[in-house]
Amino acid sequence: SYELIQPLSVSVALGQTAGLSCGGNNIGNKNVHWYQQKPGQAPVLVLYRDTNRPSGIPERFSGSNSGNTATLTISRTQAGDEADYYCQVWDSSSGGVFGGGTKLTVL
Amino acid sequence: EVQLVESGGGLVQPGGSLRLSCAASGIAFRTYWMSWVRQAPGKGLEWVANIKEDGNEKLYMDSVRGRFTISRDNAKNSVYLQMNSLRAEDTAVYYCARDSGGYVDSWGQGTLVTVSS
Repeated sequence: SYELIQPLSVSVALGQTAGLSCGGNNIGNKNVHWYQQKPGQAPVLVLYRDTNRPSGIPERFSGSNSGNTATLTISRTQAGDEADYYCQVWDSSSGGVFGGGTKLTVL
Repeated sequence: EVQLVESGGGLVQPGGSLRLSCAASGIAFRTYWMSWVRQAPGKGLEWVANIKEDGNEKLYMDSVRGRFTISRDNAKNSVYLQMNSLRAEDTAVYYCARDSGGYVDSWGQGTLVTVSS
């Protein structure tokens, strides 16, 4: 079955840029989607198909995907960006696949 | 505004059954795949199952296939998850989700299922 690997935690200083990685075999050949989840809340889609932002998501959120790694980049990080972030792909044999999630801490 | 409201969660003994419901509003329900995604306490997200717009195609994660059944009623703008032979490891918050081509663009608030004796 297809697997996505995310670091357990990432820390970033307030106002700096955070890069959250998502590793998978030839993930560059798949569409990667990203979700933000704050404690006690349902997830929220922040990027879809590698680089697309849904309505209402700030331009500070951007993405890339190539080779075996996809990356969610958060620029000018704010305190309100502190959350868990999950990457996700659709795999023809495994169905929906989520990464284990990364806890972003804003210092 | 899209609204997905789950119901039917609760405490059930191992081996028992539970049926989750999700009522949708504010969307053209019959034009979307719908999914269930779960999250065990303190753990990550896990895709469970999804169902095609007309209900004629259903996909399941390996660990629930044969125990869970997803269905929908487009006349009632609702999707369901029948869960049988429940195990402790099925304990989770279950989210109803709108599938927009391989990703979820709308989520319900979730309903908690606890499997314990």
